[in-house]
Amino acid sequence: KQEVTQIPAALSVPEGENLVLNCSFTDSAIYNLQWFRQDPGKGLTSLLLIQSSQREQTSGRLNASLDKSSGRSTLYIAASQPGDSATYLCAVVSGGSNYKLTFGKGTLLTVNP
Amino acid sequence: DAGVIQSPRHEVTEMGQEVTLRCKPISGHNSLFWYRQTMMRGLELLIYFNNNVPIDDSGMPEDRFSAKMPNASFSTLKIQPSEPRDSAVYFCASSFRLGEKLFFGSGTQLSVL
Repeated sequence: KQEVTQIPAALSVPEGENLVLNCSFTDSAIYNLQWFRQDPGKGLTSLLLIQSSQREQTSGRLNASLDKSSGRSTLYIAASQPGDSATYLCAVVSGGSNYKLTFGKGTLLTVNP
Repeated sequence: DAGVIQSPRHEVTEMGQEVTLRCKPISGHNSLFWYRQTMMRGLELLIYFNNNVPIDDSGMPEDRFSAKMPNASFSTLKIQPSEPRDSAVYFCASSFRLGEKLFFGSGTQLSVL
């Protein structure tokens, strides 16, 4: 059974700092990995999707990397802003014939002005 | 496109009552997912459909839960009878194909008293 862990559970940083959020998964047979952002009281917004054959994806100040063999992904946020404050979740799609998307419990990020 | 649309946004009901949650996926998307989110358990996949056909309902907690997708533009999740432990935020999400970028609705906050 795939398990997804995100560390730390919460992170507080000053504005302008670069930061890294971590995600690990137990079964490396994945199809892809997605990073989401969730604002309080809202649904999830997809940020980046990395296919299993890819090593990283970039969008603006965000960069996500994937090391499938070690079961790890990181989300790098450059020059953080207060508007980046949210919960960040990673989710893995397990490979094989039966689709399964498993979420981590997220990292609550607070960027202080 | 307006995105994934869920209704109602909030539902407060008494134990034993029937609850019906509604979802309209993004037009052209072939896969639809129902998730439940709680503080304790995080995001849990309840059921997903592909081309209107239920594929995996192993996440549905009990027979009190049922879901339908009568056509490509509409799905319902029904709880009958509801219990206080069903209180959670229920999300609907859709994607163009299985394993592709997932788009979430704003969720239904369900409170069963």
